[in-house]
Amino acid sequence: GENVEQHPSTLSVQEGDSAVIKCTYSDSASNYFPWYKQELGKGPQLIIDIRSNVGEKKDQRIAVTLNKTAKHFSLHITETQPEDSAVYFCAASTDYKLSFGAGTTVTVRA
Amino acid sequence: KAGVTQTPRYLIKTRGQQVTLSCSPISGHRSVSWYQQTPGQGLQFLFEYFSETQRNKGNFPGRFSGRQFSNSRSEMNVSTLELGDSALYLCASSPEGTGGTQYFGPGTRLLVL
Repeated sequence: GENVEQHPSTLSVQEGDSAVIKCTYSDSASNYFPWYKQELGKGPQLIIDIRSNVGEKKDQRIAVTLNKTAKHFSLHITETQPEDSAVYFCAASTDYKLSFGAGTTVTVRA
Repeated sequence: KAGVTQTPRYLIKTRGQQVTLSCSPISGHRSVSWYQQTPGQGLQFLFEYFSETQRNKGNFPGRFSGRQFSNSRSEMNVSTLELGDSALYLCASSPEGTGGTQYFGPGTRLLVL
């Protein structure tokens, strides 16, 4: 089955700096790559996604890049704010299943 | 539109019992997926239903089962509960199936004693 690895597991950044989270996947058939943000006591919230026919996608301060050849994709958050502090998960979809990375705990220091 | 709703939000059971969790998808979404979230194993796919049919299943024992009704609402059942079943159970709905965008509910926190 699909195996998604996510790094780093924890990330501490100064407010205003950028944060980058990287994921790799194993199944070349995967064609959909969403990113979720989960706050304490809540379900995962979709923040951005990318499909395999696109290399990069941006939504305000958040961007995702995809390299299908290397089987890796990354999340970039610019101008981080305290409300960006949360756990972030990457995922890859193949055969109608979402396989998640282990998560990255992001802490934005004021 | 209202988001995905799950009931109950919290549940305490003892080993050997069974439990049923409920999920109401976003209006118009016909696909419902279930995931188990634990600190040790992370987020793991349980199964997905579309138009009352199970289309995909994860690697969980047969004690875990689900169903979907004609109004797209879904239930999952866990029989003969074990301590290791303690987890956050998340439901997600999608208008296109699990290959498409999935929107998660707040989850049901199950504690097995």
